[in-house]
Amino acid sequence: NAGVTQTPKFQVLKTGQSMTLQCAQDMNHEYMSWYRQDPGMGLRLIHYSVGAGITDQGEVPNGYNVSRSTTEDFPLRLLSAAPSQTSVYFCASRTSAYNEQFFGPGTRLTVL
Amino acid sequence: QQQVKQSPQSLIVQKGGIPIINCAYENTAFDYFPWYQQFPGKGPALLIAIRPDVSEKKEGRFTISFNKSAKQFSLHIMDSQPGDSATYFCAASIQGGSEKLVFGKGTKLTVNP
Repeated sequence: NAGVTQTPKFQVLKTGQSMTLQCAQDMNHEYMSWYRQDPGMGLRLIHYSVGAGITDQGEVPNGYNVSRSTTEDFPLRLLSAAPSQTSVYFCASRTSAYNEQFFGPGTRLTVL
Repeated sequence: QQQVKQSPQSLIVQKGGIPIINCAYENTAFDYFPWYQQFPGKGPALLIAIRPDVSEKKEGRFTISFNKSAKQFSLHIMDSQPGDSATYFCAASIQGGSEKLVFGKGTKLTVNP
C-alpha cells in the first residue's frame, strides 16, 4: 500500500491564482481530512469527509473547497489564492474501526 | 480560543534524559488524546494515544500520563535518544470523530548526544 499520497510536494502561486491539491489513499478509509500547518500554530483542520459525497467544514474553511466523489480521493481547491494561505498542507485518512489517522507527506504552498 | 494548550514550545535534553511535554484541554467532551511525532519534511505519525478511563499508558519508551480532573495530559520519553529529536504534537478529539483532531502548537525536542 502507498498509504496517503499528496501532490504536488511544492507549489508557488501568485495571488489570485487557483489550484487543486491532490490527496489519495489506497487503504479504503472512509474518513479523510485536510489540515494546514503554520509555524507555531500546530495543525488546524480545514475540511473533512466521512465518506464519498459527504463533506463538512473544520476550524479554518474559508478560501478552500473540497469534494469527495470517490472513497480514494479528496482534493482541496483554492479558488483565489491569498498570501495568508501560504502553509504546509496535510491530508489524513482513517478507517471507521480505529481512531488512528494516517497523514500524507504534505504539500508546501507559497502564495506570492 | 485555543482548545489544547501545549508546553514547552521547545525542549533540549541530553541523551538518556526524560523529556516531559505537557498539554491541557478545555472541552470536557474530548475523550481521545493522541500524541503525534513529526520529523522535518514529513507528515505527523501517531506515537501513542490514551482515553480518559486510564491514568497512564506506556508503549516502549513513551508514556502518557492523564489527569482527568485537571484536564491535563503529558508525554514522557524514557532514556531519550538523538533519534527522538522531532516535533511532538498533542491532540484531542471526541471519540468516533478523530478525523476532527484539535492539535496543540507543538514542542520541538532536541536530544543531544
